[in-house]
Amino acid sequence: SQTIHQWPATLVQPVGSPLSLECTVEGTSNPNLYWYRQAAGRGLQLLFYSVGIGQISSEVPQNLSASRPQDRQFILSSKKLLLSDSGFYLCAWTSGTAALFGPGTRLTVL
Amino acid sequence: QKEVEQNSGPLSVPEGAIASLNCTYSDRGSQSFFWYRQYSGKSPELIMFIYSNGDKEDGRFTAQLNKASQYVSLLIRDSQPSDSATYLCAVNVMDSSYKLIFGSGTRLLVRP
Repeated sequence: SQTIHQWPATLVQPVGSPLSLECTVEGTSNPNLYWYRQAAGRGLQLLFYSVGIGQISSEVPQNLSASRPQDRQFILSSKKLLLSDSGFYLCAWTSGTAALFGPGTRLTVL
Repeated sequence: QKEVEQNSGPLSVPEGAIASLNCTYSDRGSQSFFWYRQYSGKSPELIMFIYSNGDKEDGRFTAQLNKASQYVSLLIRDSQPSDSATYLCAVNVMDSSYKLIFGSGTRLLVRP
């Protein structure tokens, strides 16, 4: 069965610090991978999606970036965090049917 | 801008009643439609997906799709307090890739 791992589970970072969130998928190959952000009390905002290694599509202009160095690894990064980057970051994968989510990373920028 | 719209709620129903959650979408080319449940502080979990017009039933849940009206709904029969959560509607967008767009969710409260 397919499993998504995300780490860390929670993170508190100062404004201006860098960020690296990691997502890995087990039990499947060549998945479509997604990064979503959910601000407090809000819906899911699609940030990036990837259909293969090195292929990244960005949905919104921001100070975040994503990379896919391996087939089942998806990384979300920032060089300098903003207060507005706080939120619940969710990685998801799909094989073409339903998307399944990882457990998420709760990021607080102070 | 391709959009998915949901009433934010809260929708309050008594225990045992039918809860009806609605969703509209703007992209007529959308092919797949999904309902997720999200408890506070947790990641969304898939309840159902539907591809074809009509109804699809799974236990206490029924998804209904009307592509002509660009409308998808979720019915929860015999609602339980444990069903209290936010329900997210999601639609795949058929452009250059498989992209999943979410509504902002409807909060459901089931009163004991």
